[in-house]
Amino acid sequence: QKEVEQNSGPLSVPEGAIASLNCTYSDRGSQSFFWYRQYSGKSPELIMFIYSNGDKEDGRFTAQLNKASQYVSLLIRDSQPSDSATYLCAHDGFQKLVFGTGTRLLVSP
Amino acid sequence: DTEVTQTPKHLVMGMTNKKSLKCEQHMGHRAMYWYKQKAKKPPELMFVYSYEKLSINESVPSRFSPECPNSSLLNLHLHALQPEDSALYLCASSQDGQAGGELFFGEGSRLTVL
Repeated sequence: QKEVEQNSGPLSVPEGAIASLNCTYSDRGSQSFFWYRQYSGKSPELIMFIYSNGDKEDGRFTAQLNKASQYVSLLIRDSQPSDSATYLCAHDGFQKLVFGTGTRLLVSP
Repeated sequence: DTEVTQTPKHLVMGMTNKKSLKCEQHMGHRAMYWYKQKAKKPPELMFVYSYEKLSINESVPSRFSPECPNSSLLNLHLHALQPEDSALYLCASSQDGQAGGELFFGEGSRLTVL
């Protein structure tokens, strides 16, 4: 079983729609969860982090965490073509972050 | 502007060359990392330098060797690389190296081995 699982996509949504990205993890001891956005050929950029169960909102982005279900999601409202990228889910591990394989998001104009 | 600076941004080398990738962080962080990322794959941890101690992913071949001159610099020396080592090499730092917290990435060094 992979430590962090994400659907590789691509997830295609029209401009203005809500994009929903999902992630499950296997380590019940994980405390911190991160969403990184990575454009092709560029380095990952932190979008959101969440530590507590529930929702955390930041602008057009909402992260949701359910530790009982070992599930993390990222919602992007009013999706823009500039949101087209790969989104990496990660959680804390000893001396490192454990990354999922990423979901590729395509937002069409 | 990123506060983790990597040089060079692009490097092409032959299998017999010796080269180095350099990384500097300006945030006073206690931990620095080298990750390797192949196309369509997540970053893979290679080395961690945290609290003046180097930790190595045992799967990393010895042709990669890290060097930490001080707490803000983490270099990666490359020698006798193979074409399959071509990848994006990412340097990152974090405030607390023990907890695996938020990583701040540099822009990456794209390495091509001929």
